[in-house]
Amino acid sequence: NAGVTQTPKFQVLKTGQSMTLQCAQDMNHEYMSWYRQDPGMGLRLIHYSVGAGITDQGEVPNGYNVSRSTTEDFPLRLLSAAPSQTSVYFCASTNLGSNQPQHFGDGTRLSIL
Amino acid sequence: DQQVKQNSPSLSVQEGRISILNCDYTNSMFDYFLWYKKYPAEGPTFLISISSIKDKNEDGRFTVFLNKSAKHLSLHIVPSQPGDSAVYFCAADFGNEKLTFGTGTRLTIIP
Repeated sequence: NAGVTQTPKFQVLKTGQSMTLQCAQDMNHEYMSWYRQDPGMGLRLIHYSVGAGITDQGEVPNGYNVSRSTTEDFPLRLLSAAPSQTSVYFCASTNLGSNQPQHFGDGTRLSIL
Repeated sequence: DQQVKQNSPSLSVQEGRISILNCDYTNSMFDYFLWYKKYPAEGPTFLISISSIKDKNEDGRFTVFLNKSAKHLSLHIVPSQPGDSAVYFCAADFGNEKLTFGTGTRLTIIP
């Protein structure tokens, strides 16, 4: 059971560089989301999607873009990385409207120098 | 403004005893509450949940209690086991899958 797969697990970037964090799920979930976890702040919602072609902003969307071209994949793009984006990023998925818990990937630890 | 609060950053409990983790929230419109467990270098794993229309939900060693008038929920683990040592996050949503998380409590079970 693959569940939610995130790649890469670790990445170091220089300020101003761009990169894409990958997220894929094999559970046919409609809903996918991205969170970031920072020390002392819990997890905060960046962007989410309720289906292919539909995305929306969460609590902390600035500096990030997303797209959802398929049900399975939900990549997160940093167009110009900043040190404030140093964090651990988690992708999650679930079915819509069923009060089902979200399934999380194991995270990507990103450092911006 | 933190809508979901876990005021105890850490908790140590003897093996076999009860662990009680607490969570407070400020928005009475939250509809669904969850507890997640997280080990280092892994993603959060769902543990147990409760709907706002209930006041208790039990699953094996884990029980979640909801007190809506106090805007408070708690997670009871009994008996506590060494494998329960982890960070526990409380989360809430409005029934729209958009979770608001607390800051977490690190539970250490002492053998």
